[in-house]
Formats: sequence, C-alpha cells, structure tokens
Amino acid sequence: NAGVTQTPKFRILKIGQSMTLQCTQDMNHNYMYWYRQDPGMGLKLIYYSVGAGITDKGEVPNGYNVSRSTTEDFPLRLELAAPSQTSVYFCASSYSADTQYFGPGTRLTVL
Amino acid sequence: AQTVTQSQPEMSVQEAETVTLSCTYDTSESDYYLFWYKQPPSRQMILVIRQEAYKQQNATENRFSVNFQKAAKSFSLKISDSQLGDAAMYFCARGGAGSYQLTFGKGTKLSVIP
Repeated sequence: NAGVTQTPKFRILKIGQSMTLQCTQDMNHNYMYWYRQDPGMGLKLIYYSVGAGITDKGEVPNGYNVSRSTTEDFPLRLELAAPSQTSVYFCASSYSADTQYFGPGTRLTVL
Repeated sequence: AQTVTQSQPEMSVQEAETVTLSCTYDTSESDYYLFWYKQPPSRQMILVIRQEAYKQQNATENRFSVNFQKAAKSFSLKISDSQLGDAAMYFCARGGAGSYQLTFGKGTKLSVIP
C-alpha cells in the first residue's frame, strides 16, 4: 500500500511552459485534493474532487486545471507557467470530508 | 474568511521535556474537525493527531495530546518527552464536516535541543 504518490519530485519550468503534475492513490479514496505551499505559509487548496468525473475549485485555482477520470488518479495541469506558481505542490486524498493523507510533494520552480 | 492562527512562529524544547504549541481558529460551524500535521525537512505532511469538535474528550496519541477548548476556539498540541525526531514544522488545520477544504495555519517551527 503506497498511499499517495506524486511525480515528479522536482521540476524547473521556463515562463510560458506547461506541465502536468501526477497524483495517484491506492487507498480507494473518493476525495482527492491539490494544495500549494508557499514559503513560510500553510497549504492552500487549489482544486478538489469528490469522485471520478467531479471536480471543483478551491481557494487558489487560477492558472491550473484538473481532471478525474479514475478513482486513483488526479492530475494537475499548469498552463502557461508563471513565476508566481513557484511553490511546493501537495496532493492528498481522504475517505470522506475528514482526515486527509498527503503525498510527498513536488517542488516546482518557474524561471 | 475563516482562519487558523498559530501565534508562535518558532519554539524550542529540551530533549525529554514537554512543549505546547498554540492554535486558535475561527468557524461558524458547529461540527468540524481539527488536526495537527507534522512536516519534517523531507516535506512529507504527517498526521499527528485529530479531534472531532463534537467530542469533549481531548484526543491523545502516545506522547501527543491536545487541549481542545471549543468555546474559546483553541486547539493546542502538547508533546511530552520530546525527542530529536520531533523537530519539524507543525501545522494546525481545521476542516468542516461538510467542507472539503482544510484551512491551515502558517505553522510553528519546533527545535529540539539535545
């Protein structure tokens, strides 16, 4: 049972490039989330999903897109990367609107 | 906006001693969850302890316990017999019973002195 896995661990992008952060969970959780963590701050919710085919915006969705075609996977797409998107990105999952379990994070730098 | 406040940016404790980290929160809900997460230098977010707001009994997990004061909207974490491995950032977070979003505080950096 690997829990929540994320790839890649690190990535450097140039301004205007696009990329997809991958997230997979093997706990059969219906709920999945994407957060970002800026230096010296707590995590902020970008998008979340309550099941396959259902997604909704969180607190800071601008510049991101998500999809949820399966229970296991919840990729986060960055279009036209900007320096303001330099951050650490965490994926999480939960059985209900309760305890969330986090992946190891992806450190993204946009130059 | 409903907020979570951790008023201690940094704390230190001697090994084997006890330390308490503070957290206050704002909510209009009667049913919600409170969490403490630990983030070591590896960046992994690790659940330390969880409290359901409708339960009056304070949660305990081995050396970790909380002091939950619902009326005061306070949720402090006590670490007993501190160990070197406890050194990390600690985040307090609030989740609603009907909300999917965790609201996090800015964190408290805990150092453990040998």
